[in-house]
Amino acid sequence: TQLLEQSPQFLSIQEGENLTVYCNSSSVFSSLQWYRQEPGEGPVLLVTVVTGGEVKKLKRLTFQFGDARKDSSLHITAAQPGDTGLYLCAGEYGNQFYFGTGTSLTVIP
Amino acid sequence: GAVVSQHPSRVICKSGTSVKIECRSLDFQATTMFWYRQFPKKSLMLMATSNEGSKATYEQGVEKDKFLINHASLTLSTLTVTSAHPEDSSFYICSARLVSGGGANNEQFFGPGTRLTVL
Repeated sequence: TQLLEQSPQFLSIQEGENLTVYCNSSSVFSSLQWYRQEPGEGPVLLVTVVTGGEVKKLKRLTFQFGDARKDSSLHITAAQPGDTGLYLCAGEYGNQFYFGTGTSLTVIP
Repeated sequence: GAVVSQHPSRVICKSGTSVKIECRSLDFQATTMFWYRQFPKKSLMLMATSNEGSKATYEQGVEKDKFLINHASLTLSTLTVTSAHPEDSSFYICSARLVSGGGANNEQFFGPGTRLTVL
């Protein structure tokens, strides 16, 4: 089992604020994915990063894969209540995907 | 995107009974499916990798005789929780792997999950 630590574990912010979620591991992953999950539903893929140092933008979300492909970050600009959810990173190692510990985000209107 | 379904979405059973959960890839073939378990407000824990036509690969600490996995076709994997007990109550989620050309950008698509409650 590959361990991915996410920080912070919980985050409660006001609408309009910026935030960054971190995903760290001592393992090297061939790819890393970010998901958002609503209660009682399966995770929904937001992005996949493959190359070390890669940066991808999805509207107000910016994802970065570390140069060594061991860590990643998710930055949200001007958070909105609709961004509320559980954010999960998942690293691809061998033939499996291993999930991070999760970050529960609440955006207060 | 690719669609994965799970059935049932919710099941309540008595202690000692067995429960079967189905995971189907609806519009693509999946040689590999994954089964995860999730506790409230926690992350997903990989239980096993289901390979079509061969035995599943279980993660360390997961009892293979307790959680039986069958991947009989390229679109269906089943997880059977045998002799279920209250501690098996959890949210079980499957995913199916979509392999892109060259395999560099493999993606997995998740089912909606199955809520199991064992009384």
